[in-house]
Amino acid sequence: EAGVAQSPRYKIIEKRQSVAFWCNPISGHATLYWYQQILGQGPKLLIQFQNNGVVDDSQLPKDRFSAERLKGVDSTLKIQPAKLEDSAVYLCASSLGGTGGVGTGELFFGEGSRLTVL
Amino acid sequence: AQSVSQHNHHVILSEAASLELGCNYSYGGTVNLFWYVQYPGQHLQLLLKYFSGDPLVKGIKGFEAEFIKSKFSFNLRKPSVQWSDTAEYFCAVNRRGNNRLAFGKGNQVVVIP
Repeated sequence: EAGVAQSPRYKIIEKRQSVAFWCNPISGHATLYWYQQILGQGPKLLIQFQNNGVVDDSQLPKDRFSAERLKGVDSTLKIQPAKLEDSAVYLCASSLGGTGGVGTGELFFGEGSRLTVL
Repeated sequence: AQSVSQHNHHVILSEAASLELGCNYSYGGTVNLFWYVQYPGQHLQLLLKYFSGDPLVKGIKGFEAEFIKSKFSFNLRKPSVQWSDTAEYFCAVNRRGNNRLAFGKGNQVVVIP
């Protein structure tokens, strides 16, 4: 079974530039998540999609971050304009269903996209 | 606010030593609990999980975790570590009916051969 695919693996940009990350979840997984992992910290949820709808984007800095999952499969996360503090690994994960119920909750993670903002 | 606490961020131990990593959470109500592991250069992967039933959960590679509801804890243990257990370990929690999975800051474990 193919895992969660992410690209690019690494990106270096200057502050105020824009960047986009792409994620293709495991086939058949309805729920897709974007997490931000800053060095020395645990992953923090940015946004969660159920099919092509947003379930939770309460921690997404909407003035500069945007994400979409138009056809309910792959997703893009965009940062515009980037700030120094956006340097982090952006993790995409997927799961069969939502995380709220018994028997669900296992997230499958991609290898992440490491962003460095200079 | 939901929070997950992991202490002793950096742990260094020798092969065959026992490992215990603490995890405490501050949630009310029923929770699902997870330990994820990230080996060097690899993606996060599930080590073990607890939803209900026996509070002692066994995972892959000889790891186990015990859910103690009264202490809001879900500590990870392995009786005898190997060099290949060098990795970062994350505790994660979600609340039944809430979709957000919250992670602790992680424990960087280095096993010396």
